[in-house]
Amino acid sequence: AQSVAQPEDQVNVAEGNPLTVKCTYSVSGNPYLFWYVQYPNRGLQFLLKYITGDNLVKGSYGFEAEFNKSQTSFHLKKPSALVSDSALYFCAVRDNNNDMRFGAGTRLTVKP
Amino acid sequence: DGGITQSPKYLFRKEGQNVTLSCEQNLNHDAMYWYRQDPGQGLRLIYYSQIVNDFQKGDIAEGYSVSREKKESFPLTVTSAQKNPTAFYLCASKRTMNTEAFFGQGTRLTVV
Repeated sequence: AQSVAQPEDQVNVAEGNPLTVKCTYSVSGNPYLFWYVQYPNRGLQFLLKYITGDNLVKGSYGFEAEFNKSQTSFHLKKPSALVSDSALYFCAVRDNNNDMRFGAGTRLTVKP
Repeated sequence: DGGITQSPKYLFRKEGQNVTLSCEQNLNHDAMYWYRQDPGQGLRLIYYSQIVNDFQKGDIAEGYSVSREKKESFPLTVTSAQKNPTAFYLCASKRTMNTEAFFGQGTRLTVV
């Protein structure tokens, strides 16, 4: 089965600094990868996806992600973090049965 | 507005009771999903449905049941057989296999 791993439970950055939230994947075949964000007591919101094409994917709210096949990674990045970016971030992969497999989540805290 | 609606937002259940969580979408999506979210565990798949009148068990289907009589609706029943039902439940839908999922705002179920 396809799977993703988020090696960090928590990421702390200062406002204005670049941020990276890490994700690695394990798939058979071509990966279909996604990033979502969740604010407290809310559903998940889609940020971006990689299906095929350019390895650098741009998404909502200034986020981007870099697909790296050799390192089996799909890290989420933003050049300049905002306090309002503080939330729970999930990496996900489409499974063979068209369901979605999610990582455990990474809590991002951006401090003023 | 197009979207996916979960109700109620908060639900309290007594021991031994069955409760049903509602999920309705007007996005004309074929696939719908139910996830359970517990702190530090990410999202775990309960059931999913790719077409009306058909659904499949996910990783943690025991103690839950679903129906898919209409394309727009995918209710989840938490039965008395579910021993630890207190959690945040998320419903999602997708248009196709390669597209992103849209999530509802979630239902927080608490056993009292």
